[in-house]
Amino acid sequence: DVKVTQSSRYLVKRTGEKVFLECVQDMDHENMFWYRQDPGLGLRLIYFSYDVKMKEKGDIPEGYSVSREKKERFSLILESASTNQTSMYLCASSPPGVSYNEQFFGPGTRLTVL
Amino acid sequence: DQQVKQNSPSLSVQEGRISILNCDYTNSMFDYFLWYKKYPAEGPTFLISISSIKDKNEDGRFTVFLNKSAKHLSLHIVPSQPGDSAVYFCAARSSSGGSYIPTFGRGTSLIVHP
Repeated sequence: DVKVTQSSRYLVKRTGEKVFLECVQDMDHENMFWYRQDPGLGLRLIYFSYDVKMKEKGDIPEGYSVSREKKERFSLILESASTNQTSMYLCASSPPGVSYNEQFFGPGTRLTVL
Repeated sequence: DQQVKQNSPSLSVQEGRISILNCDYTNSMFDYFLWYKKYPAEGPTFLISISSIKDKNEDGRFTVFLNKSAKHLSLHIVPSQPGDSAVYFCAARSSSGGSYIPTFGRGTSLIVHP
């Protein structure tokens, strides 16, 4: 079974803090994704990566950056957390290209920025 | 502009009856469609998918129907069970241009009453 793990289930940070959200997958997947989920807005793509050291902006990259130094790990960074970044953050992975069927999601990190 | 729309934010159904969740899309280049199920405090899990070359795909109690001319798909759950209570996300992607990133709808919250 594919396993995607996220470093924290719940996180509380203060405005202006630098926040790191870590994601690790154990299936040697090339593609990794970061989403945020907000009520009424569904899943919105922040960033994705299709290879080590490669990254692409998603639909809402503002205020975020990412790092992929190893294939299995994809980190989301909030350089200076703000209250409007309070959300559920979901990491996902998938095999490469268009041959894949579905993404595999981690359990999510509920981030609260005070 | 939403390319994938789930116009019903919520749906309430009696146990044993049929649940029908609807999804509309606007991009005619979408050729693969997926449904994910999400419980609170968990990541989404893949449920069922359908390629644009088919109009129906069935997996146990779950059936997805695709009407390409209407750009509409629906997920049928028969019979509905209380454990089916979750948020259901519709997603669509296009294989053209090398893009494989799915676009998600905003989700429909299904409540199945005992």
